[in-house]
Amino acid sequence: DIVMTQSPLSLPVTPGEPASISCRSSQSLYSNGYNYLDWYLQKPGQSPQLLIYLASNRASGVPDRFSGSGSGTDFTLKISRVEAEDAGVYYCIQTLQTPVIFGPGTKVDIK
Amino acid sequence: QVQMVQSGAEVKKPGASVKVSCKTSGYTFTLYGINWVRQAPGQGLEWMGWISVYNGNTNYAQKLQGRVTMTTDTSTSTAYMELRSLRSDDTAMYFCARGAVAGRGDYWGQGTLVTVSS
Repeated sequence: DIVMTQSPLSLPVTPGEPASISCRSSQSLYSNGYNYLDWYLQKPGQSPQLLIYLASNRASGVPDRFSGSGSGTDFTLKISRVEAEDAGVYYCIQTLQTPVIFGPGTKVDIK
Repeated sequence: QVQMVQSGAEVKKPGASVKVSCKTSGYTFTLYGINWVRQAPGQGLEWMGWISVYNGNTNYAQKLQGRVTMTTDTSTSTAYMELRSLRSDDTAMYFCARGAVAGRGDYWGQGTLVTVSS
C-alpha cells in the first residue's frame, strides 16, 4: 500500500499570512500525465470538502487563495492569505490505486 | 443542486449489522460512483470503499473485506453501505461522497454516527 505522510501535523497561522502544508507519498503518484493527489479540508463538526484534485486543480467553489503543486512523491498545499474560515484539518489523499489512503491530517489553528 | 442525505444515527450491539443509506439528488445518479469514508472519534479519515453506480462494480478496503457490502438503487438514487459483525472499533461517523473515481468525493453527505456498544 502507498503510505502518505504530512508535515507539519499542527500549524498555527495568523490571519492574512501565508501557510503551506507538505504531503509525501511512498510511491510516485504520477501516471498517464496526471498526479493522483487530492486535498481535503474538514472544518470542525463538518463533512470533508474537496479543495484540490489531481495535485493542482481547484475544485468548484474553492477560493483562489488555495493552490496545489508538486509531482511524483512531493506535494504542497498553499494558502496565500489565511482567513479565519480556513481553520480545520487538511488531508491529502492518493487516488492512484486502491486502497485509497488518506494522510494523517494537518490541523490548522487560527491565532 | 447536488445533495447527499444520509440516514440517522444508529446504536448497535457487538455482532450486529448496520445499513446506512445515502439518498442523492440533483445529478444523474448513474454517471458517478459513491465512496464511503469513516472517521472514528477524534481520528482521521479512513476510506472504506467505492461502488460504480453504472455497473455495480465495487472496490473495498482490504481490512473490511467480507464484512462490508455497498449497493445502489437506481430507482431511488440511493446508495447503501452495510457493515456486519460490528465491533466496538467500528464506532465512527460514516460518510458517503459522490465520486467519479475511488477516493475522490466532490459532494458529501452529512454523516451518520454509528455507535457499537453492549
